[in-house]
Amino acid sequence: SYVLTQPPSVSVAPGQTARITCGGNNIGSKSVHWYQQKPGQAPVLVVYDDSDRPSGIPERFSGSNSGNTATLTISRVEAGDEADYYCQVWDSSSDHPYVFGTGTKVTVL
Amino acid sequence: QVQLQESGPGLVKPSETLSLTCAVSGYSISSGYYWGWIRQPPGKGLEWIGSIYHSGSTYYNPSLKSRVTISVDTSKNQFSLKLSSVTAADTAVYYCASPIAVAGAFDIWGQGTMVTVSS
Repeated sequence: SYVLTQPPSVSVAPGQTARITCGGNNIGSKSVHWYQQKPGQAPVLVVYDDSDRPSGIPERFSGSNSGNTATLTISRVEAGDEADYYCQVWDSSSDHPYVFGTGTKVTVL
Repeated sequence: QVQLQESGPGLVKPSETLSLTCAVSGYSISSGYYWGWIRQPPGKGLEWIGSIYHSGSTYYNPSLKSRVTISVDTSKNQFSLKLSSVTAADTAVYYCASPIAVAGAFDIWGQGTMVTVSS
């Protein structure tokens, strides 16, 4: 099945920019979604269809997708952004249509 | 506003069947959408288990397909998960979730329920 690879961890200082990558074979041809998960809570969708934001998600969260890498960018990082982040793709033609990435722990220094 | 709420036993014995239900409020399940189950073992990542369309069509993770059954009860506006022959590896937080406003993305999640497999 399709594999999505993320770095285990990313560290960033407050006010700086965090970039989280999601690698997959020709991922640029798919729609990528990103989730934020804080300890003890359910995941929350923060970016969908590569770069769109659901209502209520700050503009500081943005996404891009090209080639074999999708990226979630968090600008002006705040302490409250510390969480696990997961990418996910959907392939309606696959027998395994929903695939999640391995997850990245973002630590705010 | 659509809301999901999981329920079921928090402890299941090895080799038995795990059964969970997800109650849907704010929307009639028979009207459409896919309804799914996702799990997360302690300290690990998210794994899609399977999804069901309101019509009853099901899609399962190939790695779990032989043990998983997802069904819909439109009269109770809920859908259910059964996972048979469980082992300790099935210990996880189980979420029900659905792509409501975004095709292919889970924008609505239940709070999750912890299921431990142990004798």
